[in-house]
Amino acid sequence: TQLLEQSPQFLSIQEGENLTVYCNSSSVFSSLQWYRQEPGEGPVLLVTVVTGGEVKKLKRLTFQFGDARKDSSLHITAAQPGDTGLYLCAPCGDNQGGKLIFGQGTELSVKP
Amino acid sequence: DAGITQSPRHKVTETGTPVTLRCHQTENHRYMYWYRQDPGHGLRLIHYSYGVKDTDKGEVSDGYSVSRSKTEDFLLTLESATSSQTSVYFCAISESRAGTGGSYEQYFGPGTRLTVT
Repeated sequence: TQLLEQSPQFLSIQEGENLTVYCNSSSVFSSLQWYRQEPGEGPVLLVTVVTGGEVKKLKRLTFQFGDARKDSSLHITAAQPGDTGLYLCAPCGDNQGGKLIFGQGTELSVKP
Repeated sequence: DAGITQSPRHKVTETGTPVTLRCHQTENHRYMYWYRQDPGHGLRLIHYSYGVKDTDKGEVSDGYSVSRSKTEDFLLTLESATSSQTSVYFCAISESRAGTGGSYEQYFGPGTRLTVT
């Protein structure tokens, strides 16, 4: 059974601060997805990283896939209240037949 | 936004009654999923479908059944609802896409909040 851990579980910061959240596993994955979920809504896909060491940027969000493809990080620069939400990682391994395992998420609150 | 709807959006039911939740998609995606989301447990897969009439169990399938008679609809049935099934239920769809390392990027519906009293 693969273990998947997201940290921190909760994060409350002021507008303008930077932050990093982590997704770590004991298994190697072929790819990894990050989602954001706002209160009362379903998760929304932010990015998929595929190659070990890959870095992708989405405006103020920077996603990195670890060299060994066992971990990932999400860095937000100059956080804004609109970034508030639950950030979920979902690694995808070979032969999972379309199934994803979601981490428990990092709940981020950005205060004005 | 992907065309996914869930119905009903809210439901209150009594213990022991059967309940059916519906997920409808207009994207013609092959894969469909049902998850439940509870505080402290994240998103947990209940059942999923990889084609019409092709379904498989997820990690929390006990007490739930599913059916998929056509591409666009995926039904989740609670055979005899219990209070432990009070949760928010999400449907998702996906299709394997080239250039994503074999990942199945998922698109979620708005959720159904179910309360079993």
